[in-house]
Amino acid sequence: NAGVTQTPKFQVLKTGQSMTLQCAQDMNHEYMSWYRQDPGMGLRLIHYSVGAGITDQGEVPNGYNVSRSTTEDFPLRLLSAAPSQTSVYFCASSYSGGSSTGELFFGEGSRLTVL
Amino acid sequence: SQQGEEDPQALSIQEGENATMNCSYKTSINNLQWYRQNSGRGLVHLILIRSNEREKHSGRLRVTLDTSKKSSSLLITASRAADTASYFCATDGLNDYKLSFGAGTTVTVRA
Repeated sequence: NAGVTQTPKFQVLKTGQSMTLQCAQDMNHEYMSWYRQDPGMGLRLIHYSVGAGITDQGEVPNGYNVSRSTTEDFPLRLLSAAPSQTSVYFCASSYSGGSSTGELFFGEGSRLTVL
Repeated sequence: SQQGEEDPQALSIQEGENATMNCSYKTSINNLQWYRQNSGRGLVHLILIRSNEREKHSGRLRVTLDTSKKSSSLLITASRAADTASYFCATDGLNDYKLSFGAGTTVTVRA
């Protein structure tokens, strides 16, 4: 099993450009989520999904869109990149039984710089 | 806003010593988890403790949970250079799929 795979690992954008960060998992996990990590701030939840066709907002959703058409994939779209979106982005998945997220499995991260 | 807050922010210890870090949170939880992050890598799950548990062990790790004080501690015994990393606590609320992370404790183990 590859686990959680994120692409690209590094990306440089200009202000106003759009792009999609890809995330795929091969563990048949129902729950998937996107976090951003900034120095001194830990991880902040952007969007999450509890199954195909279901998405919801996290703590910092503005400027980002997600969709979940399959169990395996959960892409994160930046609509119009801003320098404030310079960050390291992590995708994570888990088997969610009941109301708890359970143990999260993380990808290796995507480092995004917006100039 | 972040649910959990770790203390201290940074910790430097000698190899073989124990490392203790604490996490405080604000609202009732289903469970509390601890994760490790090596520099430039993704987070790795260490241990999960449920709200009805008080203590849990995994190898050299010991986690305690005091729901009355809304706090948890992670103890790493007999530390090794490979334990050098950032450690994060994470909590989810009741009937909540949002796992919130603290800002982390950076642990440096000196040889």
